Amino acid sequence: QSALTQPASVSGSPGQSITISCTGTNNDVGKYNYVSWYQQHPGNAPKVIIYDVNNRPSGVSNRFSGSKSGNTATLTISGLQAEDEADYYCNSYTTSSTRLFGSGTKVTVL
Amino acid sequence: EVQLVESGGDLVRPGGSLRLACEVSGLTFSRTWMHWVRQPPGKGLEWVSRIDSDAWSSTYADSVKGRFTISRDNAKNMLYLQMTSLRPDDTALYYCATSPSGEVYLDSWGRGTLVTVSS
Repeated sequence: QSALTQPASVSGSPGQSITISCTGTNNDVGKYNYVSWYQQHPGNAPKVIIYDVNNRPSGVSNRFSGSKSGNTATLTISGLQAEDEADYYCNSYTTSSTRLFGSGTKVTVL
Repeated sequence: EVQLVESGGDLVRPGGSLRLACEVSGLTFSRTWMHWVRQPPGKGLEWVSRIDSDAWSSTYADSVKGRFTISRDNAKNMLYLQMTSLRPDDTALYYCATSPSGEVYLDSWGRGTLVTVSS
């Protein structure tokens, strides 16, 4: 069970849009529409920001959006803000009925 | 307000055992699937295990299968993780988390309890 593949870091200037990819296999990301994304600020627990590929929980900014194509899911953050600087993790349900996290991406706001 | 409070983390020798606990409040615990997720210091998240609402089924990551056991007590709103044959690479902050009924994602998290495996 290798972690889903994410870029180690992504950066952008305030107001820009950035994307974070999450690549899996036909046994996880490509098989189910059960991809979720989590934001983690230093010293804090993770917080879900996207679930079931493209749904936002109540209270999460509409600047966060998700999509999926084949074995790759994508998180888009539009109108980048300083408060978006954090670590981001994708997660997928798998054919083994387990969950698999991505390797994590550090977002830096320049 | 949903609250999850983990406890039981400690320094333990390699090969030792430890039981973590998670007290849950603010939701109908008996209808909630529960998970354990861990995060080694300075590293990423790793899903560890989940148990369904009735404790009828559970699944584990390959890295802990056969060594860790997840359980729950719905009468006490408590989740547990019994860890045996601990190894240095089990060192991590262990979080408990909930999944809403019928859902796959993890929506509420505790603050974690630290397990350190070292001689």
